[in-house]
Amino acid sequence: ETGVTQTPRHLVMGMTNKKSLKCEQHLGHNAMYWYKQSAKKPLELMFVYNFKEQTENNSVPSRFSPECPNSSHLFLHLHTLQPEDSALYLCASSQAIAGDTQYFGPGTRLTVL
Amino acid sequence: GENVEQHPSTLSVQEGDSAVIKCTYSDSASNYFPWYKQELGKGPQLIIDIRSNVGEKKDQRIAVTLNKTAKHFSLHITETQPEDSAVYFCASYMKTSYDKVIFGPGTSLSVIP
Repeated sequence: ETGVTQTPRHLVMGMTNKKSLKCEQHLGHNAMYWYKQSAKKPLELMFVYNFKEQTENNSVPSRFSPECPNSSHLFLHLHTLQPEDSALYLCASSQAIAGDTQYFGPGTRLTVL
Repeated sequence: GENVEQHPSTLSVQEGDSAVIKCTYSDSASNYFPWYKQELGKGPQLIIDIRSNVGEKKDQRIAVTLNKTAKHFSLHITETQPEDSAVYFCASYMKTSYDKVIFGPGTSLSVIP
């Protein structure tokens, strides 16, 4: 256990559905991240939050909408996704964003039909 | 843009042999280099990291070496065991305005009993 939990672990959705991914960290960290992991591609950073403020949006399509209500919780709201969005979505947290170790959750395996 | 190259993409070794994975980074200002291990169904877990003020770091059977001049760093696993089988990712801390970490594409290591 890394102290970072993600729910759900698996999600299947149609292209017209709206769903949300949840991440919670129990480490007292101040920074949280969303990554996309596709087969045979490097981890892609999507969003970075530092003290609840978004500091990075790595050219992510607007069909992905992050929300960080506090330093312990991070959401990724999904709507009108495409099949190519199917991937493992990983949440991570770190004490600070300046080169601190990132601790990852187990991920949500998303399949878009 | 900035990137991290990682080789080999797959590696098979006999139990007890050593395994070496090499990474090259492009941003000469990078100064933090973590290595992550990802087992099936889990998120990446930090196994060792190194900062630019040292050339080598060891932790039991694993070690990391850093050559800042050549901009490459390597992971060394000695006396490999079947439980070392996993995907290994190197990463480089990019000192941009958002201080983000760039991951390599991963190496799938198989340790044959």
